[in-house]
Amino acid sequence: DTGVSQDPRHKITKRGQNVTFRCDPISEHNRLYWYRQTLGQGPEFLTYFQNEAQLEKSRLLSDRFSAERPKGSFSTLEIQRTEQGDSAMYLCARGTSGLGGTGELFFGEGSRLTVL
Amino acid sequence: RKEVEQDPGPFNVPEGATVAFNCTYSNSASQSFFWYRQDCRKEPKLLMSVYSSGNEDGRFTAQLNRASQYISLLIRDSKLSDSATYLCVVNIRVTGGGNKLTFGTGTQLKVEL
Repeated sequence: DTGVSQDPRHKITKRGQNVTFRCDPISEHNRLYWYRQTLGQGPEFLTYFQNEAQLEKSRLLSDRFSAERPKGSFSTLEIQRTEQGDSAMYLCARGTSGLGGTGELFFGEGSRLTVL
Repeated sequence: RKEVEQDPGPFNVPEGATVAFNCTYSNSASQSFFWYRQDCRKEPKLLMSVYSSGNEDGRFTAQLNRASQYISLLIRDSKLSDSATYLCVVNIRVTGGGNKLTFGTGTQLKVEL
């Protein structure tokens, strides 16, 4: 158990619809990350929160993507007007404690999105 | 050019074989280095950190060459349970002390009887 819960585990949607994924770290960790993984590729960094502040965003995160962490605990990732290219596994991760931590990330089981 | 490059494999090896994976990275500012393991349709999990002095964890040995920007992983006496995708990962510290991990595409290992 990595201490990161994601919901839903699977989502099938039609192109143009909006989807939202939720990430719950079991205990509060000040650093929370979102990654995206497509078939045959490694995970790609999307964004990073320290507490409720979104401190880094990848250029992969187009205007259709928005992430929030309103109270510094759970986080949501919303994709508006989904496209088939958004089909991927969306992974949430927490870092280790302390200043910078060890660099190790603990991933949730992911939310798999299929856009038809 | 990708920031982290790996041979995607697959590497098909018999049980008991020794197998080596290599990886190169392009960002000389990378600060820490890891190998992650990912089983089919599962999340990635840390296998081991990688240090310039080399480090060993049981049957696994990792090595970093900062001058060549090259990382390696050696698996000795491979087991069926080692079958997985091995992801080479480099890390850069970002704002607020967080960590931005960049993953390679992964090398797939299949250990066979």
